[in-house]
Amino acid sequence: GAVVSQHPSRVICKSGTSVKIECRSLDFQATTMFWYRQFPKQSLMLMATSNEGSKATYEQGVEKDKFLINHASLTLSTLTVTSAHPEDSSFYICSARKWDRGDTDTQYFGPGTRLTVL
Amino acid sequence: DAKTTQPNSMESNEEEPVHLPCNHSTISGTDYIHWYRQLPSQGPEYVIHGLTSNVNNRMASLAIAEDRKSSTLILHRATLRDAAVYYCILRGGGGATNKLIFGTGTLLAVQP
Repeated sequence: GAVVSQHPSRVICKSGTSVKIECRSLDFQATTMFWYRQFPKQSLMLMATSNEGSKATYEQGVEKDKFLINHASLTLSTLTVTSAHPEDSSFYICSARKWDRGDTDTQYFGPGTRLTVL
Repeated sequence: DAKTTQPNSMESNEEEPVHLPCNHSTISGTDYIHWYRQLPSQGPEYVIHGLTSNVNNRMASLAIAEDRKSSTLILHRATLRDAAVYYCILRGGGGATNKLIFGTGTLLAVQP
């Protein structure tokens, strides 16, 4: 298998502050990572694709200035929620793409980060 | 991404086999069928994926219809730890279309 970690697992912050979430692939290199958000009782919603050494690609409706993504190395991507507000409270999950044999790949997910904005 | 259809929920008894269906009538020739599951308050866990042939691994088996318009995830002996939301997702090969778009999945309840 493959292991992806996230840090922190849980964070509580005040409204207006910024929060950084780290996503690491522990035993493989990942040129591509993905960030998702999940609200209670809902499915995962893809926010953006993080590419090592280049700008992230955001899904429609996701504010790139609000959710800053940096993928500076082959094992680390960070998501910064800037000027967080209570409506940003959610479960943030990352995944990392690992190449299989041939031309297929598998995505492995981190355990998630629970963000609560007061 | 092609759409998949799954039942909202299913129930199973512990130690019995579970067959989780997925319909994907608009699947294209290059779409792989991926299955993930998500336990409460955790990130999704990769289960299995396949293209045309049936696949087996230590977690489950994937049975793919001959016309590829449907597939079934088989858990051979359900345990209480298998209670989760199971997602069936179509995804292109390792080229440009590499995003996983999650639907609502099937909530599997396992009774002791």
